[in-house]
Amino acid sequence: GAGVSQSPRYKVTKRGQDVTLRCDPISSHATLYWYQQALGQGPEFLTYFNYEAQPDKSGLPSDRFSAERPEGSISTLTIQRTEQRDSAMYRCASSPDRAAGELFFGEGSRLTVL
Amino acid sequence: AQSVTQLGSHVSVSEGALVLLRCNYSSSVPPYLFWYVQYPNQGLQLLLKYTTGATLVKGINGFEAEFKKSETSFHLTKPSAHMSDAAEYFCAVSVTSFQKLVFGTGTRLLVSP
Repeated sequence: GAGVSQSPRYKVTKRGQDVTLRCDPISSHATLYWYQQALGQGPEFLTYFNYEAQPDKSGLPSDRFSAERPEGSISTLTIQRTEQRDSAMYRCASSPDRAAGELFFGEGSRLTVL
Repeated sequence: AQSVTQLGSHVSVSEGALVLLRCNYSSSVPPYLFWYVQYPNQGLQLLLKYTTGATLVKGINGFEAEFKKSETSFHLTKPSAHMSDAAEYFCAVSVTSFQKLVFGTGTRLLVSP
């Protein structure tokens, strides 16, 4: 696609429910990143993919968080048993090359856990 | 570990005035440095980056930043602010070619007529 697309843009859920966020990167981009941004903070790295490989999951805050990119294009971020502290903006970005030096961000998915 | 400090969560300037947004970083190895801008209801967009070479980097929309190793700084400047510059600005650092960016907390730029 022309840009990075994320869905849903807004998600409100109750504590304990599972949520899945979707990211459709720029079609030619090999690398895809997930960031979490709490209110008043900068984005924090969660994980990244190089095609379908996931070399670094070090930023995922707990085992309730998982991400996948099975065919090297669209990615999903799943949060199981959501907690109020998971409320944040989740940002996806893609890059044509790991060393390209520029990330293209989507508009983000704002998650609110009640 | 790397870190970024952005002084001032809000900066207010008048249209036509100089814009100066401050960024200091901490890194044990030569860093890659970035400024991203976020306009309302949009994703972050790269303004400029420093990787190697010339320490004065020019970006889009008339912005520039200078890498000063001795001061561990990468401040963002623009000689004359426009109303359209009102946005949130994030400084970020990476120490690998892989872009695991560490972001600052952001500075919201307010431009008044």
